[in-house]
Amino acid sequence: DGGITQSPKYLFRKEGQNVTLSCEQNLNHDAMYWYRQDPGQGLRLIYYSQIVNDFQKGDIAEGYSVSREKKESFPLTVTSAQKNPTAFYLCASRRPGGGTEAFFGQGTRLTVV
Amino acid sequence: GIQVEQSPPDLILQEGANSTLRCNFSDSVNNLQWFHQNPWGQLINLFYIPSGTKQNGRLSATTVATERYSLLYISSSQTTDSGVYFCAVAAGGTASKLTFGTGTRLQVTL
Repeated sequence: DGGITQSPKYLFRKEGQNVTLSCEQNLNHDAMYWYRQDPGQGLRLIYYSQIVNDFQKGDIAEGYSVSREKKESFPLTVTSAQKNPTAFYLCASRRPGGGTEAFFGQGTRLTVV
Repeated sequence: GIQVEQSPPDLILQEGANSTLRCNFSDSVNNLQWFHQNPWGQLINLFYIPSGTKQNGRLSATTVATERYSLLYISSSQTTDSGVYFCAVAAGGTASKLTFGTGTRLQVTL
């Protein structure tokens, strides 16, 4: 089936550690996105990428890093510089341009312990 | 950047009732989507509707792009409709970023 796969579903991290969240899509979409959602809040954009080997900061990029070495994959690293990393992280993809539909993965729930 | 406001923030309905959710946006858009976030956090695509009207079963949506708003109608609500409904928009020239509203939390009771 075509879709977006995020892993793991739940992730626990000790303070001071970096952790990488996986996002893979087989929809042949060029554009991919990472969003963060805090309890009771909407989604905020962390990073996005429109093509391989290119990505841009979103509204809340501090403390995060990404790479886009393959069209299918857009991993997100939550670094120790992120002061409040506990949140729900959602990955999305779509064809490039403003007028195309976006699809989301099932999310990764990250908890700092 | 573009601003998205949703109303009401919270809504409690009895099963079988109808409801209308509203999404206002501050600039011209070429992408507008409605999502339902289920209790497990997954975002379910409901409508891709930058303009016009669409219907899917008990749900329908209308976007009036010239007046910068969209409406989501839920008829004969069921308990499975509970969750959070998000509107998200993208405007041409902003590198195709989707901006989300803060959502409407719907609870349908028996």
